Amino acid sequence: GENVEQHPSTLSVQEGDSAVIKCTYSDSASNYFPWYKQELGKGPQLIIDIRSNVGEKKDQRIAVTLNKTAKHFSLHITETQPEDSAVYFCAASSTSYGKLTFGQGTILTVHP
Amino acid sequence: GAGVSQSPSNKVTEKGKDVELRCDPISGHTALYWYRQSLGQGLEFLIYFQGNSAPDKSGLPSDRFSAERTGGSVSTLTIQRTQQEDSAVYLCASSLDLAGGVEQFFGPGTRLTVL
Repeated sequence: GENVEQHPSTLSVQEGDSAVIKCTYSDSASNYFPWYKQELGKGPQLIIDIRSNVGEKKDQRIAVTLNKTAKHFSLHITETQPEDSAVYFCAASSTSYGKLTFGQGTILTVHP
Repeated sequence: GAGVSQSPSNKVTEKGKDVELRCDPISGHTALYWYRQSLGQGLEFLIYFQGNSAPDKSGLPSDRFSAERTGGSVSTLTIQRTQQEDSAVYLCASSLDLAGGVEQFFGPGTRLTVL
């Protein structure tokens, strides 16, 4: 089955800096790669996603890149703000019905 | 509009007891998923519903775990004879489409503690 590895497990940055989180996946059939943000006591919330026919996608301060050959994808957050502090999860799906395999999560802390 | 809701938000039970966790998906969402999140871990897939049927139960960790969905809406996850290793946050998600590659909306989860 699919295996997703996520790094780093914790990331601490100063407000205004950029943050990068990286994930690798094992199943070459995976074709959907969402990123979720989870705040304390809440369920994960989708922040951006990318499909395998696209190499890069951007939404304001957030961007995701996908390298299918190397089987890795990354989340980039620019101009970080304290409210970006949360746990971020990458995921991959290779099924027709959207079953997600998640990475272990990254605790992002943005210091004012 | 209303999002995915789950109840109870917290459940403390004694080892060996049965528990039922409830999920109310977003109205009209045909796909429903259960995931488990252990402390400091990522989310682990448990089961997928398409309407009222469960074509993929591959993530259920043992035969003590079962789930059903009625009327294509509400789902219940039941854990029989709970063990301490069952302690986790149980998350439910729903999505609009049967096909993959669409957003899954998550509920706030049920935190289960087995003493």
